[in-house]
Amino acid sequence: GNSVTQMEGPVTLSEEAFLTINCTYTATGYPSLFWYVQYPGEGLQLLLKATKADDKGSNKGFEATYRKETTSFHLEKGSVQVSDSAVYFCALSGDYNQGGKLIFGQGTELSVKP
Amino acid sequence: DTGVSQNPRHKITKRGQNVTFRCDPISEHNRLYWYRQTLGQGPEFLTYFQNEAQLEKSRLLSDRFSAERPKGSFSTLEIQRTEQGDSAMYLCASSSGGWGNQPQHFGDGTRLSIL
Repeated sequence: GNSVTQMEGPVTLSEEAFLTINCTYTATGYPSLFWYVQYPGEGLQLLLKATKADDKGSNKGFEATYRKETTSFHLEKGSVQVSDSAVYFCALSGDYNQGGKLIFGQGTELSVKP
Repeated sequence: DTGVSQNPRHKITKRGQNVTFRCDPISEHNRLYWYRQTLGQGPEFLTYFQNEAQLEKSRLLSDRFSAERPKGSFSTLEIQRTEQGDSAMYLCASSSGGWGNQPQHFGDGTRLSIL
């Protein structure tokens, strides 16, 4: 079945450092890929998405490119801020006829120090 | 757009009791999803509705769990005869159907603690 694997955390960085959180997936057909973020004490928020191969999703300085050849969707940011401290979840949803349910990775906690 | 609303935010109950949670989706969204999240893990899919029809249930959803979405608006998730292992955060999400996979918008969740 479909699955998502993320790099384990926690990840601790200094402010302005470069961030990469690795995400790989296994899926049949043509899934859509998402990154969600959960700030402390808050609910899940959509960060960015990509719906087909080679699409790049971007938002708030974060980027991720849908790589079908490597089945990856790594999250990157050039310069992190303390306010980026949160838990990041990679997720996929299958073809439309699979109902759109999300399959999540286990999450990667990011801590950014001043 | 008032967002997805879930009630209650927290529920503490004794083992063996029944509990019911409510989710109010974004008003124009026809799809509604329930997920369960335990500490340190990503959310796991439980079930989803398109309008009032429940179209899929995960194998995680034992016979003690039941979900409804009367009239295709709000939804309820009931757990009967709760067990320690039911302690988790229960998340609701909604999306517009359409063609392709539209992003899901999540509520803040209901945290269930079983004593």
